[in-house]
Amino acid sequence: EVQLVETGGGLIQPGGSLRLSCAASGFTVSSNYMSWVRQAPGKGLEWVSVIYSGGSTYYADSVKGRFTISRDNSKNTLYLQMNSLRAEDTAVYYCARDDGSGSYDAWGQGTLVTVSS
Amino acid sequence: DIQMTQSPSSLSASVGDRVTITCQASQDISNYLNWYQQKPGKAPKLLIYDASNLETGVPSRFSGSGSGTDFTFTISSLQPEDIATYYCQQYDNLPRTFGQGTKVEIK
Repeated sequence: EVQLVETGGGLIQPGGSLRLSCAASGFTVSSNYMSWVRQAPGKGLEWVSVIYSGGSTYYADSVKGRFTISRDNSKNTLYLQMNSLRAEDTAVYYCARDDGSGSYDAWGQGTLVTVSS
Repeated sequence: DIQMTQSPSSLSASVGDRVTITCQASQDISNYLNWYQQKPGKAPKLLIYDASNLETGVPSRFSGSGSGTDFTFTISSLQPEDIATYYCQQYDNLPRTFGQGTKVEIK
């Protein structure tokens, strides 16, 4: 069974850093495209970043230069390192598997990041 | 970036009604469009891919159509368990972009 479990969310002050993890089971992270998608409270879905199976990475303009997506193949885990956090980064962060065409066919349960002083 | 415009933003319908949601892309995206269902407090779930293909295990009352810039999502007979917010998403280009969502409620 395909499963994604995010951890690492919490309350952080503006300007701080946080690393989210997404542990996968039932498939191999490194063989798939993996994305982070976020959802601010009461708002819609926003794509954040993707890492392709070959290792290429891409980011939304709103997080470029502040967030870094990576993976640990030995742990079958996806990460999102978030630096210089802002209030507008407050959201539930989901990791999602991209089936290779751009469709997110598996999602984690989400982890809430709150940026506030 | 490709803008995705969904309408309506919310709707209320009776059980058994036919429900239709539209999604318009700001440029031609061929059939590179998905539809997701999100129930409160839950992650989104893929229902339709490639504009009109039903994801495995999804009830046949859900359907999608369209190509180019104009797309339609239909629930042929609304059921109580269909209460959710529905999103379209394009995957023609990065950044992937979503519509603003349509909240479906029971009248």
